[in-house]
Amino acid sequence: QSALTQPPSASGSPGQSITISCTGTSSDVGSYNFVSWYQQHPGKAPKLIIYEVSKRPSGVPARFSGSKSGNTASLTVSGLQADDEAHYYCNSYAGNKNLGVFGGGTKLTVL
Amino acid sequence: QLQLVESGGGLVKPGGSLRLSCVASGFTFSDYYMNWIRQAPGKGLEWVSSFSSNRLTNYTDSVKGRFTISRDNAKNSLYLQMNSLRVEDTAVYYCARAGEIWGQGTQVTVSS
Repeated sequence: QSALTQPPSASGSPGQSITISCTGTSSDVGSYNFVSWYQQHPGKAPKLIIYEVSKRPSGVPARFSGSKSGNTASLTVSGLQADDEAHYYCNSYAGNKNLGVFGGGTKLTVL
Repeated sequence: QLQLVESGGGLVKPGGSLRLSCVASGFTFSDYYMNWIRQAPGKGLEWVSSFSSNRLTNYTDSVKGRFTISRDNAKNSLYLQMNSLRVEDTAVYYCARAGEIWGQGTQVTVSS
């Protein structure tokens, strides 16, 4: 199973919005509404921030939103804050004989 | 409080073995799909193995035949037996409940 494709880096100024893309195939992102996004700060475990394409777990600010079109999912972070500086990983279900596949990660820098 | 606590990591020589453990608390462990996910130094996340609530297991290709996942619902515990370890298995290993709850990770270093 090939990794999903994410841009290696993204940046924005406080208060701005940024969008991170996650491109898969018709075997994963394109076939299932089971795309998740994780935020990881240095030295910490990943934290789920979006599941099932656009749902937010309890406690995750509404500034984080997700969407999908065809084989590409997207994470939008609006009203950027300093604490949003982290790595972001997407993940997609890829069928019941697979473990699911992660993107390579995007390092978000808040300027 | 939902919690996963991993243990069992360490330094091992190539070809050696380790057994990772993950103890769960705060939820009905037997109801959930559990996973091991790893992260090599400076790299991204990789799903290693999963164990469903109906006892189906799955492995990423690079560990098939070397790693074995198991669970003991009576002890609220998930395990990963890792044999024939390779340098490229060096990573932080995370236990996760589906993808929603993660432990703090345990470091596995394979080096001569």
